[in-house]
Amino acid sequence: EVQLVESGGGLVRPGGSLRLSCAASGFAVSKVWMTWVRQAPGKGLEWVGRVKRQTDGGTTDSAAPVKGRFSMSRDDSTNTVFLQMNSLQTADTAVYFCTTGSNTLGHWGQGTLVTVSS
Amino acid sequence: DIQMTQSPSSLSASVGDRVTITCQASQDIKNYLNWYQQKPGKAPKLLIYDAFNLETGVPSRFSGTGSGTDFTFTISSLQPEDIATYYCQQYDNLPLTFGPGTKVDVK
Repeated sequence: EVQLVESGGGLVRPGGSLRLSCAASGFAVSKVWMTWVRQAPGKGLEWVGRVKRQTDGGTTDSAAPVKGRFSMSRDDSTNTVFLQMNSLQTADTAVYFCTTGSNTLGHWGQGTLVTVSS
Repeated sequence: DIQMTQSPSSLSASVGDRVTITCQASQDIKNYLNWYQQKPGKAPKLLIYDAFNLETGVPSRFSGTGSGTDFTFTISSLQPEDIATYYCQQYDNLPLTFGPGTKVDVK
């Protein structure tokens, strides 16, 4: 059974950093594209970015609002993907979901809440 | 970026009713459209992919049609467990973009 468990969320001050983890089970993250989506409180869904599987180069694509501040990576040995978030802004406050897939997001974690506030 | 719109933004219907949600893209996205269901406090769940394909395990009362810029999502017979917000999402171009959602309630 595919399972995704996010962790690492919390309260951080503007300008701070946070690293989110997404631990996967039931499949190998090395073999699939993984995508991050966020949802601000009471709002809709927003694509954050994705990391390609190794056979497709392992590179990443990011949304304009987070480009240069957020980076995605993968540790195949622990079957975990990461979202490193730097220079956080209040507008980054959201629940962050990791998902499987590049375009069609088939499996989702439960999400982890990131609150950016002074 | 491709803009996605949905209508209505919310609706209330009775159990057994047929419910229809429309999604419009700001440009031709062929059939590169998915539909997700999000129940309160939960993660979204994929229901329909490539505009009309039912995800494995999803009840057949859910269906999708359309191509180009105009798409429709239908629940043929609304059930109490269908209370949720429904989102369309395009993947013709990056960034992936979602519609604003349609909140479905049961009368």
